[in-house]
Amino acid sequence: KAGVTQTPRYLIKTRGQQVTLSCSPISGHRSVSWYQQTPGQGLQFLFEYFSETQRNKGNFPGRFSGRQFSNSRSEMNVSTLELGDSALYLCASSRQGVSDTQYFGPGTRLTVL
Amino acid sequence: QQQVKQSPQSLIVQKGGISIINCAYENTAFDYFPWYQQFPGKGPALLIAIRPDVSEKKEGRFTISFNKSAKQFSLHIMDSQPGDSATYFCAARGPSGSARQLTFGSGTQLTVLP
Repeated sequence: KAGVTQTPRYLIKTRGQQVTLSCSPISGHRSVSWYQQTPGQGLQFLFEYFSETQRNKGNFPGRFSGRQFSNSRSEMNVSTLELGDSALYLCASSRQGVSDTQYFGPGTRLTVL
Repeated sequence: QQQVKQSPQSLIVQKGGISIINCAYENTAFDYFPWYQQFPGKGPALLIAIRPDVSEKKEGRFTISFNKSAKQFSLHIMDSQPGDSATYFCAARGPSGSARQLTFGSGTQLTVLP
């Protein structure tokens, strides 16, 4: 069974730009959660999508948004990038959500210059 | 109330030794406590997890000890191996509703010397 895939793996953007990250969950998984990982703040929950609906949201500004498609693939968008958005963005998939084991992808390393 | 505090930040252990990582939480509504292992360049992977109605869970060389009254839980790695060198995160899951998410500790970088 293929694992969670994330594209691209690495991304360099400049301040003010916007970026879209993609996550393909494990086949059969309907929940996709996104996390931001930084050395200073650790792993922080961004949001969770289940069956194309945002089910939970963490404490991040509205510049961070996401969506999920009917095939459970998910995208995360960050608008008006700031230097502090440089991080590893991880997505995790599971069958039903946080109640199930979450399987993480390798992440997308975003660098904002 | 949503914080999970993890210590130590880094840990160096000799091969064959015991590695112990501790976590503490405040929110008594947390109902599930997993530990994740992360290698460089990889996403975290679930290692072992426990629910608050159990005081200890063992899987191979990995054991979680849970103290509900003290609101603390710890990961013990017995017979630590160089291949265990990784970053370990504890986490806690909130109750149903909008808090149904994982809150992670800050991570412990474990180095096992050969």
